Amino acid sequence: KAGVTQTPRYLIKTRGQQVTLSCSPISGHRSVSWYQQTPGQGLQFLFEYFSETQRNKGNFPGRFSGRQFSNSRSEMNVSTLELGDSALYLCASSRSLAFSSSYEQYFGPGTRLTVT
Amino acid sequence: GENVEQHPSTLSVQEGDSAVIKCTYSDSASNYFPWYKQELGKRPQLIIDIRSNVGEKKDQRIAVTLNKTAKHFSLHITETQPEDSAVYFCAAKNSGGSYIPTFGRGTSLIVHP
Repeated sequence: KAGVTQTPRYLIKTRGQQVTLSCSPISGHRSVSWYQQTPGQGLQFLFEYFSETQRNKGNFPGRFSGRQFSNSRSEMNVSTLELGDSALYLCASSRSLAFSSSYEQYFGPGTRLTVT
Repeated sequence: GENVEQHPSTLSVQEGDSAVIKCTYSDSASNYFPWYKQELGKRPQLIIDIRSNVGEKKDQRIAVTLNKTAKHFSLHITETQPEDSAVYFCAAKNSGGSYIPTFGRGTSLIVHP
C-alpha cells in the first residue's frame, strides 16, 4: 500500500508570494490533516479535512487555507508569505479502526518551506 | 484552549533501562491522547494512543497510562534499545468535538548502547 505523499518536498519563496502544497493520502483514508513544525513552536495543528469538508481549524491566520478534493487529495495554500512561515509542513491521513478504540494515522514526508 | 506540558525535554538512558515521559493537559474535555515518535530527519509516527475510557494500554515494549483525575498521561518504554532514540511527542484532543489537537514540546530520548 502506497504511503502518504507530499509535493513538493522543498520550496524556496520570497516574502509576499503565495504557495500551494499538495498531499495525497493513503488509499481509503478520507481524513487529511495538516501541521506546521518549527524548532521554536514545535508541532502545531493547521486544519483537518474529511470528505471535502473542513472539520477543524487551528489557531493560524486566514492566510493559511486548504481544501480537499473528491479523491481525498488535499492542498494547503499560504498567501502573502512571511519569514515566520518558514517551516516543515506535514500532512497526515487517518481513519478510525473498526471494532477498536484506536486510530490509524500516517504522516507524509513533509514539505520544507523556506521564505526569504 | 488546551495546554499540554511535556517532561522531561531530554532523557538519556542506558540500553535495557526503562524510560518514562510525562504529559499534563489542562482541558478536562480532552479524551484522546496519542504519542508520536520522530526520528531525526524523518516523519512523525503514531506509536500508541489511549482514549479517556481506558486507564492503560500496552503494545509490546511500550505502554501508556492515563490519570483523568490528575489530567496527566505517560509513555513507558521498557528494555530500551538504541533504535528507540528519537523525539517523542504527546498530544491531547477532544475527538468528539471541534477541538484541535494540542502537542507537547517533545522529549528527546537518547539510548546509549
